[in-house]
Amino acid sequence: AAGVIQSPRHLIKEKRETATLKCYPIPRHDTVYWYQQGPGQDPQFLISFYEKMQSDKGSIPDRFSAQQFSDYHSELNMSSLELGDSALYFCASSSLRDRQMNTEAFFGQGTRLTVV
Amino acid sequence: AQSVTQLGSHVSVSEGALVLLRCNYSSSVPPYLFWYVQYPNQGLQLLLKYTSAATLVKGINGFEAEFKKSETSFHLTKPSAHMSDAAEYFCAVSDSASYGKLTFGQGTILTVHP
Repeated sequence: AAGVIQSPRHLIKEKRETATLKCYPIPRHDTVYWYQQGPGQDPQFLISFYEKMQSDKGSIPDRFSAQQFSDYHSELNMSSLELGDSALYFCASSSLRDRQMNTEAFFGQGTRLTVV
Repeated sequence: AQSVTQLGSHVSVSEGALVLLRCNYSSSVPPYLFWYVQYPNQGLQLLLKYTSAATLVKGINGFEAEFKKSETSFHLTKPSAHMSDAAEYFCAVSDSASYGKLTFGQGTILTVHP
């Protein structure tokens, strides 16, 4: 079965650079969620999109932005990177529209971002 | 606001022994509760979920959890631990509107000794 695809899997950036993370949800899923998991930490919700509109916002820094495109994939853009942004970034998808589907969130493998 | 607390950041058991990972929740609305497992450098895999149906929920890999409203608990158990169960386990809670907006507990690292 198709899963949530994230790219790249690993990314190394220098301080003050920008990074773009991509997420391709499970087919027919209309909702995408982004999480940040720092070293030894639990995942923290950043932001979510439903049908290409921002649906909820968590502890996402102002330096970060995200969007969901017409094909439902999503991108997380991170600017002015700081050392503290080094983390594992997860994307998850679910279907809110189709209640016949399992509505729990399915997570991708994550993108490990290292800021040096 | 919703939250979950996992008691014990590390749990160590012998192979074949009972696994018990504790999770207590706080929620102002009926909660939706989940257990996820994370292997090193991997994503989060759903073990099981409680969505107000049966209070005893059976998941994958022989795990189960019981929702106890009176104790605000959702502990994860497995009768007999296997070496492959060694991983980090996260309890999570969401509201009914968005199952993907999760608040996670701090995680419990399970070690299984031969």
